[in-house]
Amino acid sequence: GNSVTQMEGPVTLSEEAFLTINCTYTATGYPSLFWYVQYPGEGLQLLLKATKADDKGSNKGFEATYRKETTSFHLEKGSVQVSDSAVYFCALTLPGGSEKLVFGKGTKLTVNP
Amino acid sequence: DTAVSQTPKYLVTQMGNDKSIKCEQNLGHDTMYWYKQDSKKFLKIMFSYNNKELIINETVPNRFSPKSPDKAHLNLHINSLELGDSAVYFCASSHRGGRDNEQFFGPGTRLTVL
Repeated sequence: GNSVTQMEGPVTLSEEAFLTINCTYTATGYPSLFWYVQYPGEGLQLLLKATKADDKGSNKGFEATYRKETTSFHLEKGSVQVSDSAVYFCALTLPGGSEKLVFGKGTKLTVNP
Repeated sequence: DTAVSQTPKYLVTQMGNDKSIKCEQNLGHDTMYWYKQDSKKFLKIMFSYNNKELIINETVPNRFSPKSPDKAHLNLHINSLELGDSAVYFCASSHRGGRDNEQFFGPGTRLTVL
């Protein structure tokens, strides 16, 4: 089946530290990959996406590269801020199928000043 | 201006009751979804409708019944509520088809069953 495995948290960093959240996937087809972010008390927002191998998604200083050979889509940011504190979800969808999002379990990030 | 809206935002009720959650999107999308987020933040698809037609029904108890009166609305009715139904329910919408199919999420409805 299709699944997403992401680094379990919680992750606690100091402001300006480097962030990596690992994400790997298993898919029966050729998925599109997403990172969603959930700020406290809010719904999910798309952070970035990549739809084919070697694509790099980027937004708000976050980046992730679609690596087909390692079936990975790791999230990185060079210098985190307190406002980045949130839960981050890696997800996939299979275009042409049901197109449901299959989520990882989420990683809670706390950034301290 | 709200893209995907849900009502109510909070719902507290007793076991055995019947309740509904409503969702509306003004993005012109043709596909809508219900996801359930449990207490550990795990998100899982429940249902999806495309042009008012059910296309996903993921092993959800038949106490849950979605209804889509038109493409812009997808409601969720839950009968005989149980303690385990306590969760946050998210509605989402998208255009079906295409590799960059982004789903837009509502703010969620926090259901607490006592």
